[in-house]
Amino acid sequence: EIVLTQSPGTLSLSPGERATLSCRTSQSVSNTYLAWHQQKPGQAPRLLIYGASNRATGIPDRFSGSGSGTDFTLTINRLEPEDFAVYSCQLFDGSPPTYTFGQGTKLEIK
Amino acid sequence: EVQLVESGGGLVQPGGSLRLSCTASEFTFSYYWMSWVRQAPGKGLEWVANIKGDGTVIYYSDSVRGRFTISRDNAKNSLFLQMDSLGVGDTGVYYCARDSGDYFNDFWGQGTLVSVSS
Repeated sequence: EIVLTQSPGTLSLSPGERATLSCRTSQSVSNTYLAWHQQKPGQAPRLLIYGASNRATGIPDRFSGSGSGTDFTLTINRLEPEDFAVYSCQLFDGSPPTYTFGQGTKLEIK
Repeated sequence: EVQLVESGGGLVQPGGSLRLSCTASEFTFSYYWMSWVRQAPGKGLEWVANIKGDGTVIYYSDSVRGRFTISRDNAKNSLFLQMDSLGVGDTGVYYCARDSGDYFNDFWGQGTLVSVSS
């Protein structure tokens, strides 16, 4: 089973700053299978990025995803107050077709 | 807009059972694989099970296989999770999520809380 490790566990930043969140996989994976989700308390999780770098419908362009192999990054430019949330990476494992998640990074207001 | 609404959570004693439901709207439910994903307090998301659009193919995580049963009723646009032999480790928020067909979950419900405690 592939393990996803997210870092840092908590990131404290101010509005207007840039956030860089990491997701590392325990073995090399295809970009196609890597997604990022945002969670806010009491709300449904929201898909941000799929295929490592494709923004989902309606996601502002300050959100971007990058990476390949075992190292993937979610970057949020010019943080807005509504961006402070928990971010999780998700990996699709094709054999069998199941999903694995990272433990999440909490982005909090400094 | 796609909507997924979970229900059925609650407090149950260890060893007990609970049945969760998820009602879907604003998309052709039978076309999509659907998943259950849970989140224990203070922990990350954990995939639990998924089911093909026609209900003929099902997968479970090792942690729930043999205790949980996923099913669906396409006529009622509904997804279910029958949970038996519940333990304290099953406590958490349970989400239903649509599988996009392209290797990720694209829509989620708000979740329903399951608490297993004596």
